[in-house]
Amino acid sequence: DTAVSQTPKYLVTQMGNDKSIKCEQNLGHDTMYWYKQDSKKFLKIMFSYNNKELIINETVPNRFSPKSPDKAHLNLHINSLELGDSAVYFCASSQEFGRAEAFFGQGTRLTVV
Amino acid sequence: DAKTTQPTSMDCAEGRAANLPCNHSTISGNEYVYWYRQIHSQGPQYIIHGLKNNETNEMASLIITEDRKSSTLILPHATLRDTAVYYCIVRGLSGGSNYKLTFGKGTLLTVNP
Repeated sequence: DTAVSQTPKYLVTQMGNDKSIKCEQNLGHDTMYWYKQDSKKFLKIMFSYNNKELIINETVPNRFSPKSPDKAHLNLHINSLELGDSAVYFCASSQEFGRAEAFFGQGTRLTVV
Repeated sequence: DAKTTQPTSMDCAEGRAANLPCNHSTISGNEYVYWYRQIHSQGPQYIIHGLKNNETNEMASLIITEDRKSSTLILPHATLRDTAVYYCIVRGLSGGSNYKLTFGKGTLLTVNP
């Protein structure tokens, strides 16, 4: 079983649409994250949740709204998609807040056209 | 911004040891050195971390200089599957921005047959 799984793996959508990316971890970890990797391959943290509570929000536009229904899931909803949102989005988890041995998902490649 | 400096790329022959250097001259006393790698089209993968002592696990060894201003990741017997971008990251124990995994540009290691 995949430890951190994201769906979908690929997402192509038009500008202005709203889309969601789902993430689930079966490791029993308390902390989950969303990272964005842009076309230049820089990997930047967007959000971090610990036990369903938001603890890091890295100046991400409020069009991005993470939702954590339980500590095993952290979904990312994006409103009014823009061309610049095209990137690979990675979900990750770690055993607890403050431990950086993070396990990453395989990524969701979002293309906005 | 990443607090580390790594070569952009390196080559290694299959079966030989790969030694990846990292400079972190501004590292603080409570900051750890972490190494991750990202194989093409996959999510980042944790390799190893250390504070001041050398560390070894099933994947690699980490050698940290006595002044802690630089470190070397050693893959003892590189295989073609070790071709990836290797990230050296310094990270503190406390919360806030010091806690985040901040990825730089990393080193593209190419293992040649």
